[in-house]
Amino acid sequence: DVKVTQSSRYLVKRTGEKVFLECVQDMDHENMFWYRQDPGLGLRLIYFSYDVKMKEKGDIPEGYSVSREKKERFSLILESASTNQTSMYLCASRESGQETQYFGPGTRLLVL
Amino acid sequence: GESVGLHLPTLSVQEGDNSIINCAYSNSASDYFIWYKQESGKGPQFIIDIRSNMDKRQGQRVTVLLNKTVKHLSLQIAATQPGDSAVYFCAEKGGYKLSFGAGTTVTVRA
Repeated sequence: DVKVTQSSRYLVKRTGEKVFLECVQDMDHENMFWYRQDPGLGLRLIYFSYDVKMKEKGDIPEGYSVSREKKERFSLILESASTNQTSMYLCASRESGQETQYFGPGTRLLVL
Repeated sequence: GESVGLHLPTLSVQEGDNSIINCAYSNSASDYFIWYKQESGKGPQFIIDIRSNMDKRQGQRVTVLLNKTVKHLSLQIAATQPGDSAVYFCAEKGGYKLSFGAGTTVTVRA
């Protein structure tokens, strides 16, 4: 089974802090994704990566950056956290040539 | 632009009955559709998928129906069980990414 893990289940940060969310997958998938999930809005794509050191903006990249130094790890960075970034953050991975994305358990971030 | 929506935000079902969860999509070029289940405190879990060249696909206790004429997708769950209580999302793929609906919360009554 595919396993996608996220470093934290819950985080509380203060406005202006730099926040790192880590995601690791163990299936050697080329593609990895970061989403945020908000009530009534569904999942919205922040960034994705199709290879090591490669990244592409999704639908809502503003205020975020990402890092993919190793194939199994995809990090989401909030350079200066703001209250409107309070959300559930979901990481996913996908094998090239396949369509199904596999999700981690999510990180619920609260920015005060 | 694309929009994926579920017809109802909530669905209450008696245990043992069949559940039908509906989803409308707007991108006629979408060629792949997928249903996810998200239990409380967990990430979305793959249930079943279907390509646009099919109109029906069955899994274990679940069936997905695709009507491309009206751009409608449905998920049927047979003999709904308490463990089926969750939020269900449909997603469509047109191009490089998946677009997700907001979800339907299914509650199973004992």
